[in-house]
Amino acid sequence: RKEVEQDPGPFNVPEGATVAFNCTYSNSASQSFFWYRQDCRKEPKLLMSVYSSGNEDGRFTAQLNRASQYISLLIRDSKLSDSATYLCVVTPTSGTYKYIFGTGTRLKVLA
Amino acid sequence: NAGVTQTPKFRVLKTGQSMTLLCAQDMNHEYMYWYRQDPGMGLRLIHYSVGEGTTAKGEVPDGYNVSRLKKQNFLLGLESAAPSQTSVYFCASSPMPGQDISGANVLTFGAGSRLTVL
Repeated sequence: RKEVEQDPGPFNVPEGATVAFNCTYSNSASQSFFWYRQDCRKEPKLLMSVYSSGNEDGRFTAQLNRASQYISLLIRDSKLSDSATYLCVVTPTSGTYKYIFGTGTRLKVLA
Repeated sequence: NAGVTQTPKFRVLKTGQSMTLLCAQDMNHEYMYWYRQDPGMGLRLIHYSVGEGTTAKGEVPDGYNVSRLKKQNFLLGLESAAPSQTSVYFCASSPMPGQDISGANVLTFGAGSRLTVL
């Protein structure tokens, strides 16, 4: 089993739709969680960190479920510019250099 | 702030040639990393460094060497390039745990270096 797993998609959604991605992780001791966005042929960029209580940034909401070992990303009112690959990133233990990446979920927002 | 800068952005090599990719960061980060990204494989860690003068192997270190003589620079070398090393290479840096007062320990990437080995 991979340490971090994501549905590769693509998720094709119309503009204005709400879309959600999940990411599961295998190490129950994982400490930090992030969603990164990667545009085609560009570097990954931090979208948001995921906190235990859940957090929201504009149209984006991230949740952490430690009991079921997954994190989620909800995008409301999708824009064409949201089309990208979304990477789930987990650090397995505290005080570590190690970042574990999922292979990403591709989102296409259609006009 | 420039953040993380990689050079060169593109390079074509012939099998057996050598080259060095340079990564520079201006965020005073302790940790630096080299990843490669291939279609369907996600990001894989090649080597990393937890401070000036230190280096360590990641998941896929074979065929690569690294050096971190200065805190802000992390060099990735290919001594004898092979077609299997055709990839996009990303450098990244992060603060040492506890160094970032927000506690986020966010990983920041460079723009990438596209390497083709013929």
